[in-house]
Amino acid sequence: DGGITQSPKYLFRKEGQNVTLSCEQNLNHDAMYWYRQDPGQGLRLIYYSQIVNDFQKGDIAEGYSVSREKKESFPLTVTSAQKNPTAFYLCASSTGGRNQPQHFGDGTRLSIL
Amino acid sequence: AQSVTQLGSHVSVSEGALVLLRCNYSSSVPPYLFWYVQYPNQGLQLLLKYTTGATLVKGINGFEAEFKKSETSFHLTKPSAHMSDAAEYFCAVTNAGKSTFGDGTTLTVKP
Repeated sequence: DGGITQSPKYLFRKEGQNVTLSCEQNLNHDAMYWYRQDPGQGLRLIYYSQIVNDFQKGDIAEGYSVSREKKESFPLTVTSAQKNPTAFYLCASSTGGRNQPQHFGDGTRLSIL
Repeated sequence: AQSVTQLGSHVSVSEGALVLLRCNYSSSVPPYLFWYVQYPNQGLQLLLKYTTGATLVKGINGFEAEFKKSETSFHLTKPSAHMSDAAEYFCAVTNAGKSTFGDGTTLTVKP
């Protein structure tokens, strides 16, 4: 079955550490997205990529970095510059068309030790 | 610019009662609108979408939504709530492949 796989499901970070969240899709979608979800705040866009080797900052990109070297993969690094990283992170993909929905992974919950 | 407002962060209904979740949008271009559902510790799943054409859109699990341009609304309804409908619901507007989501409405269904 086609879909989006996020790993790990739960992740713990020590102060001052960078951590990388994995997102892989086998839907042959061009566009991929990273969102942060906090209680009562909906989804906020961190970064998105509409094509391989290109990506754009979303609304809350500070303290995060991404790469898009392969169509299937869009890893997110939460750097030590992100002062409040505890959240639920969702990866999504779509064909990129304006009228197309996004398909979501099951998320990674990041917590600070 | 685009934005979404979901009125009511929490809605509680009895099993068998009508479900109404409200969504108003703002968009500088004709909008493409979506409703998604999220169960605890999972990602979002598409319920239904409005692109063009018929303003009453039917989705999965008996949900439907009506696009009203004059009211800039896209409210989600279901005639009879089921216990399994308890979840968080998100309205979204999409333009140029980028989506803006509302803050979500948590639906509780009482037996």
